[in-house]
Amino acid sequence: ETGVTQSPTHLIKTRGQQVTLRCSSQSGHNTVSWYQQALGQGPQFIFQYYREEENGRGNFPPRFSGLQFPNYSSELNVNALELDDSALYLCASSLWLAPTGELFFGEGSRLTVL
Amino acid sequence: TQLLEQSPQFLSIQEGENLTVYCNSSSVFSSLQWYRQEPGEGPVLLVTVVTGGEVKKLKRLTFQFGDARKDSSLHITAAQPGDTGLYLCAGEETSYDKVIFGPGTSLSVIP
Repeated sequence: ETGVTQSPTHLIKTRGQQVTLRCSSQSGHNTVSWYQQALGQGPQFIFQYYREEENGRGNFPPRFSGLQFPNYSSELNVNALELDDSALYLCASSLWLAPTGELFFGEGSRLTVL
Repeated sequence: TQLLEQSPQFLSIQEGENLTVYCNSSSVFSSLQWYRQEPGEGPVLLVTVVTGGEVKKLKRLTFQFGDARKDSSLHITAAQPGDTGLYLCAGEETSYDKVIFGPGTSLSVIP
């Protein structure tokens, strides 16, 4: 186990709704990254947070937003949900300024948009 | 734009066989990682390679980083059903950069 926990594990929403996903990072880690993984594909980088600020963003629209809290936990918010947002959302924690970019993942939140 | 490609996309083999999966890019990576992901779970880190030409062994798994740091391979000897899963390579172009993932190789080992 990595010590990274995500909630909820599964959820179903309808188009146009909003969703908030939560992540608690591994003890000692100060950086959180969020990834979207569609069925049968590799994870796609959404964004990364360090010191409560977004530090790097992938090719995702502004309706994907996030927060990092002083205890390094994080939230991913998605507004105006679309059918294509159905995916596994993965949170990964890491240590800023680690010489190599190893990530430690939670088990993910499976989002289904109907 | 960074891009990691993996081959083959799918692989189904009998228990006891050997296999190699590949990860390729046109970009140079400062480090590259391999992860394994089982259904319904997050990816789990297997290894990190940093130096061009580096070879690392993890029991029956052998990982190699290309001399030019643009490609990597994973070789599994005497595959077992427990090796079944999605094998993902991932890397960062420069240190402290975002980590990008390849599309994965889905391995199925049949008893």
